[in-house]
Amino acid sequence: NAGVTQTPKFQVLKTGQSMTLQCAQDMNHEYMSWYRQDPGMGLRLIHYSVGAGITDQGEVPNGYNVSRSTTEDFPLRLLSAAPSQTSVYFCASSYSFYSYEQYFGPGTRLTVT
Amino acid sequence: GQQLNQSPQSMFIQEGEDVSMNCTSSSIFNTWLWYKQDPGEGPVLLIALYKAGELTSNGRLTAQFGITRKDSFLNISASIPSDVGIYFCAGHISNQFYFGTGTSLTVIP
Repeated sequence: NAGVTQTPKFQVLKTGQSMTLQCAQDMNHEYMSWYRQDPGMGLRLIHYSVGAGITDQGEVPNGYNVSRSTTEDFPLRLLSAAPSQTSVYFCASSYSFYSYEQYFGPGTRLTVT
Repeated sequence: GQQLNQSPQSMFIQEGEDVSMNCTSSSIFNTWLWYKQDPGEGPVLLIALYKAGELTSNGRLTAQFGITRKDSFLNISASIPSDVGIYFCAGHISNQFYFGTGTSLTVIP
């Protein structure tokens, strides 16, 4: 198993550009989530999904969209990047909502200039 | 959002020493978790606690779920160089996980 994979590893965007951060897992996990990690802030939940076709907002959803058309994939879209979205983004998955053992991907370091 | 306060922010200890860190919240959580993050990688789950008062061990790590459900503690015994990293607490409630700000641990050989 590859576990949780994220692409790209690094990305630089200009303000106003759009992009999609990819996340995939091959463990047949139902629950998937996106976090951002900023210095001194810990990880903050952006969006999560409890299964294909079901998504919901986390603590900091503004400026981000998600969709979950398959169990394996959970992309995060930035529609119009802003410097405040400069951060490290982590995708995580767990077997189900009731399983708290989350497996994290390696992260995507995003810089918005 | 929920605020989880971790202390200390950083620790510098000698190899072989024991380590204690804690996490407090103004809100009640149903589950407390502790993660370790190495540089450039995602967090890895160390211990999960499911019941107030629960004390759980994982090798040299011991964690406790506070009786009030608003705090948790992590102890590491006989530290070794590979314990270096950032330790995060996380609380779970209402479909969401909330993370603390982290404790950076440096172990001096």
